[in-house]
Amino acid sequence: NAGVTQTPKFQVLKTGQSMTLQCAQDMNHEYMSWYRQDPGMGLRLIHYSVGAGITDQGEVPNGYNVSRSTTEDFPLRLLSAAPSQTSVYFCASSARHGIGQNIQYFGAGTRLSVL
Amino acid sequence: GDSVTQMEGPVTLSEEAFLTINCTYTATGYPSLFWYVQYPGEGLQLLLKATKADDKGSNKGFEATYRKETTSFHLEKGSVQVSDSAVYFCALSGSGGSYIPTFGRGTSLIVHP
Repeated sequence: NAGVTQTPKFQVLKTGQSMTLQCAQDMNHEYMSWYRQDPGMGLRLIHYSVGAGITDQGEVPNGYNVSRSTTEDFPLRLLSAAPSQTSVYFCASSARHGIGQNIQYFGAGTRLSVL
Repeated sequence: GDSVTQMEGPVTLSEEAFLTINCTYTATGYPSLFWYVQYPGEGLQLLLKATKADDKGSNKGFEATYRKETTSFHLEKGSVQVSDSAVYFCALSGSGGSYIPTFGRGTSLIVHP
């Protein structure tokens, strides 16, 4: 059982470049989300989705886009990378119903540096 | 809105010492409470949870009790090991029907041999 898979694990970008961080889950979870983790700041929610075709903004959405065309995939797009987007990015998923309700399953993270 | 406050770290202990990491919360309704652990270079993973008042979650020697009267969910372990060195996050979810979890800022634990 793969759980939540994030790719790539590491990425270096130049300012102004765009890229997509991939996230896929194989648990048929309705809820998926993206966080960034910075030293001393804890986890900050970027965007989230409660199901295919439905996305919404979190606490720090500027500079990021998301889409949810399938239940399994929830990619995060950086439109024009900036040094302030240097961070570790985590994707998470959870079930909305049943015994596992509200337990968040996290990917291993993508470590992004923007030069 | 909902909030989770946990003690700032780092918490530095010697092996076999007793551990307490404090967590208090503010929420509407009756949320579920969680502790997640993040080992170096990894994502967060569930350590334990409690879904209603007076429930005790436990796993790997760690325990936490859902105290509604004090709005707390303190994490404890009787004898820590070097392998417990990690960052611990307190979180709540399901408050007011929301699926968006609220996380504390995390507490770093360093255990020395």
